[in-house]
Amino acid sequence: ELKVEQNPLFLSMQEGKNYTIYCNYSTTSDRLYWYRQDPGKSLESLFVLLSNGAVKQEGRLMASLDTKARLSTLHITAAVHDLSATYFCARGSGTASKLTFGTGTRLQVTL
Amino acid sequence: NAGVTQTPKFRVLKTGQSMTLLCAQDMNHEYMYWYRQDPGMGLRLIHYSVGEGTTAKGEVPDGYNVSRLKKQNFLLGLESAAPSQTSVYFCASSRTSGGSYEQYFGPGTRLTVT
Repeated sequence: ELKVEQNPLFLSMQEGKNYTIYCNYSTTSDRLYWYRQDPGKSLESLFVLLSNGAVKQEGRLMASLDTKARLSTLHITAAVHDLSATYFCARGSGTASKLTFGTGTRLQVTL
Repeated sequence: NAGVTQTPKFRVLKTGQSMTLLCAQDMNHEYMYWYRQDPGMGLRLIHYSVGEGTTAKGEVPDGYNVSRLKKQNFLLGLESAAPSQTSVYFCASSRTSGGSYEQYFGPGTRLTVT
């Protein structure tokens, strides 16, 4: 069975701190996606990781992929309140890159 | 460009009623998808399409049917709604674009079945 597991499920951080969200998946894939979702809103694409060792950065967020360990990480540097949201990783498979989502990590950044 | 749009935004149905959700995209994408999101969970794939006139089952297809008669539209039908189908439904579209298949999501339809 294909599984995508994220941890932690909930993360409360102080502004200015660093933290990492982990995404483990059960079967090999070379496509890993990160999305952000604000309450009551749709999903916003953050990163698309297509190969082993891929690293992408946008602002205070950096995502990486290790296909051998079946692990992706989303690192948050010097968190700010605007980063408060739920973050999902998703593994892509097949011709249409059908997505299997993790359960999400709800990030709360406090002042 | 409007991107991916969904109609309606909200709907309340009684058990046994039927309805159709419409998804439209103006990005000329080949692939389209329907997902559902239940509270505290990630999205789960219901059905998808790799091109006009083609559809395929996803992870949770039971109780739903789909059609893609035009490239830009993907319809999701519930023939006989059940309370277990209360959820938020998201449509998405993508193209190959260098192998990334990055999916762009619509705003969602919140469906309640009583």
